[in-house]
Amino acid sequence: EAQVTQNPRYLITVTGKKLTVTCSQNMNHEYMSWYRQDPGLGLRQIYYSMNVEVTDKGDVPEGYKVSRKEKRNFPLILESPSPNQTSLYFCASSLSRTGNEQYFGPGTRLTVT
Amino acid sequence: QQPVQSPQAVILREGEDAVINCSSSKALYSVHWYRQKHGEAPVFLMILLKGGEQKGHEKISASFNEKKQQSSLYLTASQLSYSGTYFCGTEKGTTDSWGKFQFGAGTQVVVTP
Repeated sequence: EAQVTQNPRYLITVTGKKLTVTCSQNMNHEYMSWYRQDPGLGLRQIYYSMNVEVTDKGDVPEGYKVSRKEKRNFPLILESPSPNQTSLYFCASSLSRTGNEQYFGPGTRLTVT
Repeated sequence: QQPVQSPQAVILREGEDAVINCSSSKALYSVHWYRQKHGEAPVFLMILLKGGEQKGHEKISASFNEKKQQSSLYLTASQLSYSGTYFCGTEKGTTDSWGKFQFGAGTQVVVTP
């Protein structure tokens, strides 16, 4: 089944404790992206990747890191999480950067205390 | 800057029609439409590209006015399954923005029996 998977689905952590949210797709998509969703703000793009080893900042990259060493994986790293990073995070992938639908993962709900 | 969606919310009875608008201050290359049900990931509905190409859902239609940087999503003869939050996502028309998406804050649609 074609899908985007994220782990973990739920995470409660404390300020400053490094964490990684994994994202994997099995559709051989070139394009992958991370979004955060907050009430009233919709989806805001954090980072995106056009292909392996090619990443770029979205609108809200501060406090996040990403890497794309393999085509299927695009992990999101929070080196020192803070309470304002409490949010619902979605990973998405697409065949190419535009003109194609984005497939979203199930989401990761992160709470930073 | 995020695209602006209107209205913020709409309540319909089954069978009624509605229009959701998405407006950007920048020249656009593509407009994407997604629907998100509570607790789920966004699901693709439609893509409209500069130049007139469209890809998407059979029963939902949309338009894209390139000169005005506006798109509208038309919900015709609404069904209970149309309930959810609708997001437009935009990609600008400049090469330095390829891959960068911005989503509106969403329009909540409630369809009642």
